[in-house]
Amino acid sequence: DGGITQSPKYLFRKEGQNVTLSCEQNLNHDAMYWYRQDPGQGLRLIYYSQIVNDFQKGDIAEGYSVSREKKESFPLTVTSAQKNPTAFYLCASSSSGRANVLTFGAGSRLTVL
Amino acid sequence: GENVEQHPSTLSVQEGDSAVIKCTYSDSASNYFPWYKQELGKRPQLIIDIRSNVGEKKDQRIAVTLNKTAKHFSLHITETQPEDSAVYFCAGLSGNTPLVFGKGTRLSVIA
Repeated sequence: DGGITQSPKYLFRKEGQNVTLSCEQNLNHDAMYWYRQDPGQGLRLIYYSQIVNDFQKGDIAEGYSVSREKKESFPLTVTSAQKNPTAFYLCASSSSGRANVLTFGAGSRLTVL
Repeated sequence: GENVEQHPSTLSVQEGDSAVIKCTYSDSASNYFPWYKQELGKRPQLIIDIRSNVGEKKDQRIAVTLNKTAKHFSLHITETQPEDSAVYFCAGLSGNTPLVFGKGTRLSVIA
């Protein structure tokens, strides 16, 4: 079954802790993205990667970090420096042939206690 | 960079009526405008898109129109059904940068 898998679906964290959200795709897509979704705020870009071992900051990268060591994987770390991390996080990917069309994962909901 | 404004933020229509959601964009170089639908608890999915070389595109009950001069584009849903209830996002693309999304419209279709 091809697609994007995000894990965990729900995650709770205490203030001051780092947490890593997993995103894996088996679509052979070159580009991968992380978006944050808050009510009434739409989808805001955190980081994106168009090729392995390279990534760029999006509009709200502060307090987040990523890596792209494999084509299939693009994990997102929410660090303690992120002031308001409680949100719904969506990972997406796109192919080089249809770079405009995003395929989204099911999302991870992070709650900071 | 690109900025996409979307309105209204919420929209309620009676089943069978039409719904229209409008977006404006800032970058005149933008050339691709998709619409994504996100049902409650699910991932966003592409429902229709339009490129800057056409003015209108239809797919059954949904259509998108583009006015490049005014820099706005709209989603039209006719004969709405309860399963059309969702959050709809417009987006714009300029050059090789990622899509920029609007803030979304929550559509409720009342049976």
